[in-house]
Amino acid sequence: DGGITQSPKYLFRKEGQNVTLSCEQNLNHDAMYWYRQDPGQGLRLIYYSQIVNDFQKGDIAEGYSVSREKKESFPLTVTSAQKNPTAFYLCASARGTLNYGYTFGSGTRLTVV
Amino acid sequence: RKEVEQDPGPFNVPEGATVAFNCTYSNSASQSFFWYRQDCRKEPKLLMSVYSSGNEDGRFTAQLNRASQYISLLIRDSKLSDSATYLCVVNKGSSNTGKLIFGQGTTLQVKP
Repeated sequence: DGGITQSPKYLFRKEGQNVTLSCEQNLNHDAMYWYRQDPGQGLRLIYYSQIVNDFQKGDIAEGYSVSREKKESFPLTVTSAQKNPTAFYLCASARGTLNYGYTFGSGTRLTVV
Repeated sequence: RKEVEQDPGPFNVPEGATVAFNCTYSNSASQSFFWYRQDCRKEPKLLMSVYSSGNEDGRFTAQLNRASQYISLLIRDSKLSDSATYLCVVNKGSSNTGKLIFGQGTTLQVKP
């Protein structure tokens, strides 16, 4: 079955460390997205990509970086510049238009220790 | 003004009750509208799209009022399993590509 896979499910980061969250989809979707969700909060857009080798900043891109070298993959790196990275990170994908909404991965819960 | 606004609740209702959630959006050019459901510590899942003519899926009915920039979700005969957070979602801008904007969510707790 087609879907979108995020790994790891849980991740612990030490202060000053960069970590990379994986997102892979086999839905043949053109667009991919990264959101962050804090407890009791809505989803906030970090980065998104509508085609390979191109991506745009969302509302809270500072301290994060992405790449889109393959259509199927959109990894997110949380750098040491992100001062408050503890959150639930959600990756999503969508067809070329938004008529069908997003499909989400099951998320990565990142905690700074 | 937030781009998508919802009453966060919580809404506490007994089983079998009818409950309605409302949502307003700021961009009159938006074209795509959805309700997502999110269970505790899980990813959001698409509940239903919202069309201008209104649409129904079993116990769930969604309505869109473009003139008032208002979206609603009605749940009839509430079940315990309906307990979740319901997210109102709208596309940003007039293009039907790009990105979706999520409301903060409305929490529903259905009690026995």
